[in-house]
Amino acid sequence: GAVVSQHPSWVICKSGTSVKIECRSLDFQATTMFWYRQFPKQSLMLMATSNEGSKATYEQGVEKDKFLINHASLTLSTLTVTSAHPEDSSFYICSARTSGYSEQFFGPGTRLTVL
Amino acid sequence: KNQVEQSPQSLIILEGKNCTLQCNYTVSPFSNLRWYKQDTGRGPVSLTIMTFSENTKSNGRYTATLDADTKQSSLHITASQLSDSASYICVVSKGNTPLVFGKGTRLSVIA
Repeated sequence: GAVVSQHPSWVICKSGTSVKIECRSLDFQATTMFWYRQFPKQSLMLMATSNEGSKATYEQGVEKDKFLINHASLTLSTLTVTSAHPEDSSFYICSARTSGYSEQFFGPGTRLTVL
Repeated sequence: KNQVEQSPQSLIILEGKNCTLQCNYTVSPFSNLRWYKQDTGRGPVSLTIMTFSENTKSNGRYTATLDADTKQSSLHITASQLSDSASYICVVSKGNTPLVFGKGTRLSVIA
């Protein structure tokens, strides 16, 4: 149980285009989902926290108009990188939890490469 | 400042050998501490989770320890295998707030 999936697992796009990444909790209802970014040999950095049905809370320094997050259902959250640039190339990981203090379960990650 | 420091940054060991990874934290208040294994290009997978009152927890060949007084934790891997090659991340939770991640220790097990 407690499986989180991400799609796609990797994506290559041209500079200026938008890319959507999906995060799904497969066997539980995720009231809260988190989006992280990880650069090579670095730790995971929290980008935003989203609760189902409400607007996401972004961490300081993360542009909410560039990284659009939608958490429309208890099993799906999406991250859209708008007008992607090469510096947005990174490994994006989502996690999900049921409520409150419960454990976060991480997805397998999405490798984004912007040319 | 809430921080999690891990050492060593990287480690190379021979297959079959044991190793111990360290984690020091200054996170307060403390809720629990987790060790994750992250294979290259994959998401983190939980190995152990310990609360304030737990000193030791094992998961197969992985044994984690916690000293809440000194705010230190360790992850001991016994009889290492090639598949243990990965990054091991120490993560501390303050409760219903964002997790605090260490930068990880990159372990390479060689034949």
